[in-house]
Amino acid sequence: DTAVSQTPKYLVTQMGNDKSIKCEQNLGHDTMYWYKQDSKKFLKIMFSYNNKELIINETVPNRFSPKSPDKAHLNLHINSLELGDSAVYFCASSGSDRTREQFFGPGTRLTVL
Amino acid sequence: AQTVTQSQPEMSVQEAETVTLSCTYDTSENNYYLFWYKQPPSRQMILVIRQEAYKQQNATENRFSVNFQKAAKSFSLKISDSQLGDTAMYFCAFMKQGAQKLVFGQGTRLTINP
Repeated sequence: DTAVSQTPKYLVTQMGNDKSIKCEQNLGHDTMYWYKQDSKKFLKIMFSYNNKELIINETVPNRFSPKSPDKAHLNLHINSLELGDSAVYFCASSGSDRTREQFFGPGTRLTVL
Repeated sequence: AQTVTQSQPEMSVQEAETVTLSCTYDTSENNYYLFWYKQPPSRQMILVIRQEAYKQQNATENRFSVNFQKAAKSFSLKISDSQLGDTAMYFCAFMKQGAQKLVFGQGTRLTINP
C-alpha cells in the first residue's frame, strides 16, 4: 500500500548513458514533483506537473525530461549523464487541499561514474 | 524569491532532553505555509509538522511543537523528551499559497545520544 513509489532505488551508470527513473502514486493526487538532493543534502525542486501539464521547470538542463503519461505517474529521463548528476532524486505528490501537503517517495540514489 | 535559512548545521543532545531547531525565512508574501520534514538514515522524507501563516496559534504534534513568529519570519521546531529515533536530518520548508513547490533550508543534522 505504498503511497509514492520510485524505481529503481539505486542506479549506478557510466557517464554519457541515458537512464530513466519511474514514479507512481496511488493517493489520487493531481500534482507530482521531482526534487534533487545533492551531496550536501540540499533539496531543490526540479519539475512540477499538474494533471499531466508541466507547471514548474526550475532551470534544469535540457538533458532532463520529465514525462507524465497520466496523473498517477511522473517519470524522469536523463540523457548524456554527467558526473554532476549524481544525487538522490525524490518524487513527490500532493492533492488539491489548501495546504497541498507533499508526500515523498523513497528516493533514487543515482551514481554516475 | 523566497529563501529559507537553517543556521545550525549539526546539533547533538542526550536522550530525553528538549532541543530546538532554528529556521528563518525571507518572503514578501502574506499567505504561506511552513513545514518541518524529517529525513532519517533511511532517506525517506517524513512530514513532522505544518503551520499555516494565517493561524496565530503554534502547531503541535505530540512531542513536536513550533514557535512561529510571523513578524520576525522565524519558525523554530521544539522536540520534547527526545528519543533515539529522532536522530535524523531536519529540513525547514516554505511554500507560498497557491504555489506548487517547497523551498527548503539547508537542513540540521540532529543526533540523539543514549
